[in-house]
Amino acid sequence: DAGITQSPRHKVTETGTPVTLRCHQTENHRYMYWYRQDPGHGLRLIHYSYGVKDTDKGEVSDGYSVSRSKTEDFLLTLESATSSQTSVYFCAAGSGQGIPSYEQYFGPGTRLTVT
Amino acid sequence: LAKTTQPISMDSYEGQEVNITCSHNNIATNDYITWYQQFPSQGPRFIIQGYKTKVTNEVASLFIPADRKSSTLSLPRVSLSDTAVYYCLVVDTGRRALTFGSGTRLQVQP
Repeated sequence: DAGITQSPRHKVTETGTPVTLRCHQTENHRYMYWYRQDPGHGLRLIHYSYGVKDTDKGEVSDGYSVSRSKTEDFLLTLESATSSQTSVYFCAAGSGQGIPSYEQYFGPGTRLTVT
Repeated sequence: LAKTTQPISMDSYEGQEVNITCSHNNIATNDYITWYQQFPSQGPRFIIQGYKTKVTNEVASLFIPADRKSSTLSLPRVSLSDTAVYYCLVVDTGRRALTFGSGTRLQVQP
């Protein structure tokens, strides 16, 4: 897992409640990402960060916000959880340098269920 | 973002070579081609990346023709443990972002 941990690993929450997922890395990677994966689909990018306090939206960013106050931590917040946000969430990190420069290391995933 | 198209599924037997082809007709000049592997209940794992011609590592080879509109991942002598979903991606170098399609589900039989 190249030093990528996610917490919690499993969570059940109710519609309308805020939820925060945490990603922690120990390799000092510059770039960090949040993806979601739904059954029968590949991963879709939610948000990513290219440095402390520097973030940008991915293709499915509505209803999500992120924060990165330290290099090692990248938080994903569901502002008001909906059933459509039930999914497996993966965090990833990469350095964007050297060869291969686009390799990303993925965490084990967080399974979120919104009831 | 360059869209990729790859077969939904493939079957093989242990010991055979497997070639998975991906098309990416609108790849941009600066984009790279990357392949990832994903086992059930795990995050994807990087396999190989390339820009043009051929790249080989200890796990696989990647063949990219001159027009770069397609690429082929070659897995030599697959084993049962190679059963997984394989994703072909074109990396948006401006954002370092990965766009995953639905992938190819490879099933290796004994």
